[in-house]
Amino acid sequence: ETGVTQTPRHLVMGMTNKKSLKCEQHLGHNAMYWYKQSAKKPLELMFVYSLEERVENNSVPSRFSPECPNSSHLFLHLHTLQPEDSALYLCASSQDVTGGRNTGELFFGEGSRLTVL
Amino acid sequence: GQNIDQPTEMTATEGAIVQINCTYQTSGFNGLFWYQQHAGEAPTFLSYNVLDGLEEKGRFSSFLSRSKGYSYLLLKELQMKDSASYLCAVQPSYSGAGSYQLTFGKGTKLSVIP
Repeated sequence: ETGVTQTPRHLVMGMTNKKSLKCEQHLGHNAMYWYKQSAKKPLELMFVYSLEERVENNSVPSRFSPECPNSSHLFLHLHTLQPEDSALYLCASSQDVTGGRNTGELFFGEGSRLTVL
Repeated sequence: GQNIDQPTEMTATEGAIVQINCTYQTSGFNGLFWYQQHAGEAPTFLSYNVLDGLEEKGRFSSFLSRSKGYSYLLLKELQMKDSASYLCAVQPSYSGAGSYQLTFGKGTKLSVIP
């Protein structure tokens, strides 16, 4: 138990479906992240929310839409995905590093395994 | 840009010592993390190096040379449960946004055999 919970753990969807991934952290952190993990590729940072504001979007396609309603919850809304979007989507959180008080260590959830047919 | 290299796979014998190397070329550098990820599970934190030298934590140690862009993770007295992927992640210079955006290597899959 890492303190970061992701649901669903597994999701199968068609290319025309709309679904959402949910992440909740119980660690009191104020930065949350979405990463994509594909076979034989490094973890790819998709979105970062720090203090509930999105601070970076690494040119992720618009079919992925993040939402962060508060510092404990993070969503990834999915629509009209492609088969190449099939991957493990990992949520992570960290404590704010302003002032150098924290290392920025990431705490990961166990991921949502997405299959797009 | 960021470029991080680590071996794809390694095999070692139970009870032995294994060293997993990581080299990086980055446009800005603050520190380096090592994470462990068992199949189907979340990556978990192993170590963090900011300064040059060796950080020891039980059976695991991590080394950093900032001038050489090089790190390694050393696992001693290997156990079967150490079979996992080991991820090297570079932490860039702080941009003032309240968080760091880590860049990960592809990971090294370690298999420990009896």
